[in-house]
Formats: sequence, C-alpha cells, structure tokens
Amino acid sequence: NAGVTQTPKFQVLKTGQSMTLQCAQDMNHNSMYWYRQDPGMGLRLIYYSASEGTTDKGEVPNGYNVSRLNKREFSLRLESAAPSQTSVYFCASSDARNTGELFFGEGSRLTVL
Amino acid sequence: GQQLNQSPQSMFIQEGEDVSMNCTSSSIFNTWLWYKQDPGEGPVLLIALYKAGELTSNGRLTAQFGITRKDSFLNISASIPSDVGIYFCAGQRGTGANNLFFGTGTRLTVIP
Repeated sequence: NAGVTQTPKFQVLKTGQSMTLQCAQDMNHNSMYWYRQDPGMGLRLIYYSASEGTTDKGEVPNGYNVSRLNKREFSLRLESAAPSQTSVYFCASSDARNTGELFFGEGSRLTVL
Repeated sequence: GQQLNQSPQSMFIQEGEDVSMNCTSSSIFNTWLWYKQDPGEGPVLLIALYKAGELTSNGRLTAQFGITRKDSFLNISASIPSDVGIYFCAGQRGTGANNLFFGTGTRLTVIP
C-alpha cells in the first residue's frame, strides 16, 4: 500500500529557478494538502484542495501555486524559488468525513541557494 | 495562524520511564489530534479526540481532550527506544483541514 507518494525526495535549486513537487495518493481521498515544516514552527498549510477541481490558500501561500490534476494528484509549484522557501514539504490527504486525520507523504527536502 | 504551545520542547528519558507532554491554546478547538514523526518520515496519526473530557488510549499511549477545550495531554507509559521522534499536537475548529493547526512539537529521546 503506497498511501501518499511525493517526488522528488531531495532537491537543490538556485534562487530564481522553478520546480514542481508532485504528490499522488491511492486512498481515494477527496482532500489533499501541502504543508511546509520549518525548525521550531511546526507544520504550516500552504494550499489545500477540498475536492477535485477546487484549490484554496492556506496560511502561507505566497510564492507557491498548486494544481489538482485529478482526484489522485496534487502538485505544488515554485515559480521563482527564494532562499526563504528552503524547507521540508509534506503532501497529505484526508477523506471528507475526518478532515483532521491526515495521511502524510514522506516529505521533500528543498534547499534554495 | 493559531498559536498552539507544546511543552516540553524536548525530553531525554531512560527506557522504561513514563512520558507526559501537553498542548495549550488560547482558542477553543472541537478536535484534538496527536501525531508522531519518525526521523526522515512524515507525521503519522496516533490518537484523535472529538469530545471535551474524552480519554483515549492506543496501546501504551493515552491522550486526553481538556475540559476547557483549550488543551490536550499525551502520556506514554513504559517508553521504548522506538518511541523516539517528534510528537505534534493539532487542534481543529469546525470541519476542513484548513482549520487544523499544529503545535511546534516535542522531541523525545529515549536512552536505552
């Protein structure tokens, strides 16, 4: 059972470069999320998709865009990476009834030089 | 965002000891959850609490939803080396994980 799969696991970018983090879930969940984790700050919501075809901003959306490609896939794009976006990024999913019960991927560690 | 204060920030304990940690907020939540993150992995849900005063166990773990709805507690009994990791509380208001807020975590180290 794969659960939530994120790629890539590691990435180093130069300031101004762009990249897309991919996420896929095989649990038939309606809702998907992107979080970032920084030391001492817990997990902060970047964007979420409550259902296929919808996306909304979370707590820290600036500098990011998302695409809910289909029910399974939710991607996060950095158009012009900045050093402040150095972080560990987690994709998560949940079903519609228990939206606090998140299933997380293994994380993508991004470094922007 | 919401401020969830977790304490302690870190703990070093001997194998076999019991562990207590808590999470407090200035806001009321309808749901409290506890997650554990192993090194290099994503967080995994341990316990979910849906009612004020609720006490729920999962093996050696016991969590409580505070009566004021502004706090929650997690206890681990008879700790073992695989308990090592970061424990996060999360509080949710209403429905939707956009209303879910995470604490800053308690880093647990178990000394064999």
